[in-house]
Amino acid sequence: EIVMTQSPATLSMSPGERATLSCRASQSVTSNLAWYQQKPGQAPRLLIYGASTRATGIPARFSGSGSGTEFTLTISSLQSEDFAVYYCQQYNNWPPLTFGGGTKVEIK
Amino acid sequence: EVHLLESGGALVQPGGSLRVSCVASGFTFSSCAMSWVRQAPGKGLEWVSSISGSGGSTHYADSVKGRFIISRDNSENTLYLQMNSLRAEDTAVYYCAKVDGRWWGFDYWGQGTLVTVSS
Repeated sequence: EIVMTQSPATLSMSPGERATLSCRASQSVTSNLAWYQQKPGQAPRLLIYGASTRATGIPARFSGSGSGTEFTLTISSLQSEDFAVYYCQQYNNWPPLTFGGGTKVEIK
Repeated sequence: EVHLLESGGALVQPGGSLRVSCVASGFTFSSCAMSWVRQAPGKGLEWVSSISGSGGSTHYADSVKGRFIISRDNSENTLYLQMNSLRAEDTAVYYCAKVDGRWWGFDYWGQGTLVTVSS
């Protein structure tokens, strides 16, 4: 099973700042990685797939990068609606499909 | 517009059974693989099970293998998860999720249904 590790667990940021979230895989997942955003009481929403391709309707301030075992989700300028929990998910080698533990982006 | 609506969540005693459902609309259901993903209270996301568009191929997480059964009725655009021998650790919100046809991730999610296993 591929273990996905996200860091930090919590990121305290101010609106307008740049946020950098990390996701590490226990073995290579090539570019088969997705990112999701989840707000309290809501279902997750797809942000990025293929490590760097934005899903339909996702603003350009969200960008993904990386390959192999190291990945990054960057939010270039945090908006109020971006404060949420973010999860990475690998789909290179499954079952099982595996998620990281999440990074909470909170208002500083 | 894609829409996924789960139902059937309830309070169940340990060892009991429950079936949750997900009605889909806005896409060609029979052409799309579907999955269940769960989230225990205050915890992260956990993949539970996936099924191919035809229903001929299924996969399960080790934590539910032998206890849960995923199925679908393409004539009714409905996905099911039959949960047997339920345990306290199965307590979670269960999300129905549509699998993107190009990669094995989830492009649309339902709002979830809460399953609580407790005596």
